[in-house]
Amino acid sequence: SQQGEEDPQALSIQEGENATMNCSYKTSINNLQWYRQNSGRGLVHLILIRSNEREKHSGRLRVTLDTSKKSSSLLITASRAADTASYFCATGDGGFKTIFGAGTRLFVKA
Amino acid sequence: NAGVTQTPKFQVLKTGQSMTLQCAQDMNHEYMSWYRQDPGMGLRLIHYSVGAGITDQGEVPNGYNVSRSTTEDFPLRLLSAAPSQTSVYFCASRVGSPNEKLFFGSGTQLSVL
Repeated sequence: SQQGEEDPQALSIQEGENATMNCSYKTSINNLQWYRQNSGRGLVHLILIRSNEREKHSGRLRVTLDTSKKSSSLLITASRAADTASYFCATGDGGFKTIFGAGTRLFVKA
Repeated sequence: NAGVTQTPKFQVLKTGQSMTLQCAQDMNHEYMSWYRQDPGMGLRLIHYSVGAGITDQGEVPNGYNVSRSTTEDFPLRLLSAAPSQTSVYFCASRVGSPNEKLFFGSGTQLSVL
């Protein structure tokens, strides 16, 4: 069964706008990760946030984590056409399994 | 470094045929895993390995076998392919620490007719 569920399923924005994607999960986690997948390619790791962290930044990416609500958000600022991709959250429980959500498809119009 | 290499990139099988999807990594990662990706369902973990000689089941292991004889290689075997196994398969690896970031291969698109 899937642990993380992303919202929205699809998002279409104009270049220059910010894109926000949300992830909810069901059980206790050790960390939460976000990955990006371009069409027809493998997933690429973007950022990892641990359960004792509330916010993390990497370039134009900002991730928040609220363990009390079992949710996370990924914000991409000043989106570019090249950001068009699917974005997945993935949770780890401190064990050996990393479980992925169904993903958000982001389309950035030039 | 090549990273994680998967072969073949595309494969068409008939129901009942067997085949092996190959995965190799050159990063000396202890942990390797196989996922399948189906439309609207994200990635589901099939099997994983925490080191040579050690494998375990993921979320959807039925119909698949794995072995890990070396650190570098982690093949996935379909013993008797079924149409329900039509999917895109990804191999991923990471260092041994639990739940650190995964490095993915480019995938194998498998169709079972």
